[in-house]
Amino acid sequence: GDKVKQSPSALSLQEGTNSALRCNFSIAATTVQWFLQNPRGSLINLFYLVPGTKENGRLKSAFDSKESYSTLHIRDAQLEDSGTYFCAAEAPGSWQLIFGSGTQLTVMP
Amino acid sequence: EAAVTQSPRNKVAVTGGKVTLSCNQTNNHNNMYWYRQDTGHGLRLIHYSYGAGSTEKGDIPDGYKASRPSQENFSLILELATPSQTSVYFCASAGREQYFGPGTRLTVL
Repeated sequence: GDKVKQSPSALSLQEGTNSALRCNFSIAATTVQWFLQNPRGSLINLFYLVPGTKENGRLKSAFDSKESYSTLHIRDAQLEDSGTYFCAAEAPGSWQLIFGSGTQLTVMP
Repeated sequence: EAAVTQSPRNKVAVTGGKVTLSCNQTNNHNNMYWYRQDTGHGLRLIHYSYGAGSTEKGDIPDGYKASRPSQENFSLILELATPSQTSVYFCASAGREQYFGPGTRLTVL
């Protein structure tokens, strides 16, 4: 099965509302990264996380290594937040990232 | 800001031809990666490198070779291109966070 499972696979939001994306891991992830692939196809690093939380503007992310999950919260969604969000986990002793299949987010006016 | 560039950005090749995709990073990162992205498969790791002179197989290395002649440059080589290798290819470099290049769209006819 998938080592990194993202949910939901797709999500539509009204501008100004909030959302939460989730990743569950079946591996013992040591770090997590979140990326946004924008409509032009560019992959942008949003967060690098060890267990704990980080916040950047309207985005907040948490990683719980004991419960094997990570979340990404988007507050006051804007049109430019549209795109596909990927989480990726690093396994112990590895420099490789294992990617989830993504959450496609559409923010509507 | 991390800087990873890829060339060419678009490439059309013929079946059986040789294709070389190039990646350059100015971050002085030791680790570099090549991924391909296909609809329904997300990002899959082809080859990676820990530094100049090293290359390692990722999850889907068959049909691909890699070369890391210097800290800055990492190439992906398709000796005998096939239509199944039509995809979007991303290069990335990493210290902690992974930073991606803009991608190369390869079409093999």
